[in-house]
Amino acid sequence: EAGVTQFPSHSVIEKGQTVTLRCDPISGHDNLYWYRRVMGKEIKFLLHFVKESKQDESGMPNNRFLAERTGGTYSTLKVQPAELEDSGVYFCASSQEARTGAKNIQYFGAGTRLSVL
Amino acid sequence: AQKITQTQPGMFVQEKEAVTLDCTYDTSDPSYGLFWYKQPSSGEMIFLIYQGSYDQQNATEGRYSLNFQKARKSANLVISASQLGDSAMYFCAMRGTTGGGNKLTFGTGTQLKVEL
Repeated sequence: EAGVTQFPSHSVIEKGQTVTLRCDPISGHDNLYWYRRVMGKEIKFLLHFVKESKQDESGMPNNRFLAERTGGTYSTLKVQPAELEDSGVYFCASSQEARTGAKNIQYFGAGTRLSVL
Repeated sequence: AQKITQTQPGMFVQEKEAVTLDCTYDTSDPSYGLFWYKQPSSGEMIFLIYQGSYDQQNATEGRYSLNFQKARKSANLVISASQLGDSAMYFCAMRGTTGGGNKLTFGTGTQLKVEL
C-alpha cells in the first residue's frame, strides 16, 4: 500500500512568485492534514480536510495560502505570492479515523521543502 | 491550549544501549492522545507509538515503549537495544479532544545519534 506522497520534494522560488504543493493521501483516507515546519521551530498545523470539506483551517497563516481538495482525493496547497517567511518544510498527513477520542493515527509524507529567495 | 516540550535538542547513545527521549505536555483536555514520530534523514515522518490518556498500561511497540506518567504529564519514549538505523529526529506530539480535536501539537524534536 502506497503511503502519503508529496510533490515536489523541494521547490526554490523567488519572493512574489506562486508555488503549488501537492499531496496524495493514503487510498481510502478521508482525512487530510497540512502542517508546516519553519526552520528550527515546531511543526505547526495548518488545516484539516474531511473529504473535500475544510474541517479546520485555524492554522492557515494568511490569505496568501489556499488549500483545495477537489473530489476528496489529492490536495493542493498554493502560496501566492510567496514571501521569505514562507520558507520551510510543508508536511501532509492523512488518517482514516477522525472521531474525537479515537486513536486517529496520522500518517505523514516526506514533506516539501520550500525555499523562498 | 496544548503544549509539548522536548528539552533535549540532541542525544547520543551507543549501539545496543537503551535511550530515553523526554517529552512533557500540558493540556486541559480530559482526554487526549500522545504520539511519537521518527524522522530519518530521508524526511518522511514515521509513526512509532501511541498512548491514550485513559490507557491503563504503557504502550509498547517492539523496541519502543512509552513511559507514561500522567500525574507528571510526561510521555517519554524508551528505545531499547539501539541500532544505527535509529539515528533520526524524534518528535513527540499530542492530540486533544476539544477546540479542533484532530490536529497534532508537536514538540521541537530530539536529534538522536547512535554510535558504534
